[in-house]
Amino acid sequence: GAVVSQHPSRVICKSGTSVKIECRSLDFQATTMFWYRQFPKKSLMLMATSNEGSKATYEQGVEKDKFLINHASLTLSTLTVTSAHPEDSSFYICSARMDRGNTEAFFGQGTRLTVV
Amino acid sequence: AQSVTQPDIHITVSEGASLELRCNYSYGATPYLFWYVQSPGQGLQLLLKYFSGDTLVQGIKGFEAEFKRSQSSFNLRKPSVHWSDAAEYFCAVVPSGGYQKVTFGTGTKLQVIP
Repeated sequence: GAVVSQHPSRVICKSGTSVKIECRSLDFQATTMFWYRQFPKKSLMLMATSNEGSKATYEQGVEKDKFLINHASLTLSTLTVTSAHPEDSSFYICSARMDRGNTEAFFGQGTRLTVV
Repeated sequence: AQSVTQPDIHITVSEGASLELRCNYSYGATPYLFWYVQSPGQGLQLLLKYFSGDTLVQGIKGFEAEFKRSQSSFNLRKPSVHWSDAAEYFCAVVPSGGYQKVTFGTGTKLQVIP
């Protein structure tokens, strides 16, 4: 199957700093990428959907100025958590879809963010 | 409103016993259906998927799932559980027709005892 690589797998940062998480499709071109956040003992909550070359579409309640998403190429999307606070600590997962007609999404291995 | 329900938050089974994880959905039309598995601290791995056709689908690691339209269910089964199956399992749906976001159930945590 298609491979999606997410980096870093774990990151610890100080409160007030920014953190960038990368999501790469290694063996296919991803027209659409999704960013999810997973709270402890809860399901995955979609944060935003990004299409290559256009602005991301954020879900209701997600601060677009805090969670900056860039999908600059067909193989790379980045999520930047700006001015991180302890409440932003979470597990973030990206997924990528090959094209609009393909309904299967492939997931990265996730990034554990801890803000201290 | 569209929703995905996994009624069981936590299930414990003995190694070698059979397993069934429940998933129910509420959508206007039959969606595309998926089961994913997540090991601790890891991303999601696709076990199997249903788009159309045969309602009994086979997946990886010996898992299968059956789509029942009349019950709006897509339950995951395995005849004999192995200790390595201990993980969290998510049912997910995508509305049929193409480009749509994935909606996940709340997950079922599976514990396997010797």
